[in-house]
Amino acid sequence: DAGVIQSPRHEVTEMGQEVTLRCKPISGHDYLFWYRQTMMRGLELLIYFNNNVPIDDSGMPEDRFSAKMPNASFSTLKIQPSEPRDSAVYFCASGSSAGNEQYFGPGTRLTVT
Amino acid sequence: AQSVTQLGSHVSVSEGALVLLRCNYSSSVPPYLFWYVQYPNQGLQLLLKYTSAATLVKGINGFEAEFKKSETSFHLTKPSAHMSDAAEYFCAVSEGPQGAQKLVFGQGTRLTINP
Repeated sequence: DAGVIQSPRHEVTEMGQEVTLRCKPISGHDYLFWYRQTMMRGLELLIYFNNNVPIDDSGMPEDRFSAKMPNASFSTLKIQPSEPRDSAVYFCASGSSAGNEQYFGPGTRLTVT
Repeated sequence: AQSVTQLGSHVSVSEGALVLLRCNYSSSVPPYLFWYVQYPNQGLQLLLKYTSAATLVKGINGFEAEFKKSETSFHLTKPSAHMSDAAEYFCAVSEGPQGAQKLVFGQGTRLTINP
């Protein structure tokens, strides 16, 4: 298996622009998680899905952030409009209800100028 | 609510020395516990996990961790450090028993290996 795939790996954008991050989970996994990692706040869970349904979005910082999972093999995290404080590494992870661990993608490094 | 405290944001050891990274957890239910490693510019990789079976858990790269309920601890150890162990290590707790519940991560411990 190719593992969790994220794109793009790096994104540089200007404040006010819309940013879309993409994730393809491991085939057969029924959980998908979005995390944000910064030096100041560490690793934060933003939202997670089970069977494509959002279960807990309490970590989403504000309405500028939205996430969707239209099918079992694809999810997006969108920031509109983006702000410099959104600069971080965003990770997607997937897992199976048959196991306990989560498998992380390589991350998307977002820089908002 | 679950929480994890990693004691020491930075740990430095000499090559060949014992590695000890400390993790204490808080959980209202029997916990599932994990250690992940993150190498520079990479995602997190699972090192090992405790899921209520053996209290001494062996993982990849020679690491192991011991679950101590009385101390609410899950410290990570490796008898002899190697230069390639330099990375950031995260302890995490999950509510069991069903799989892939959300994880609560500690703040991480950056391990430096001195030659």
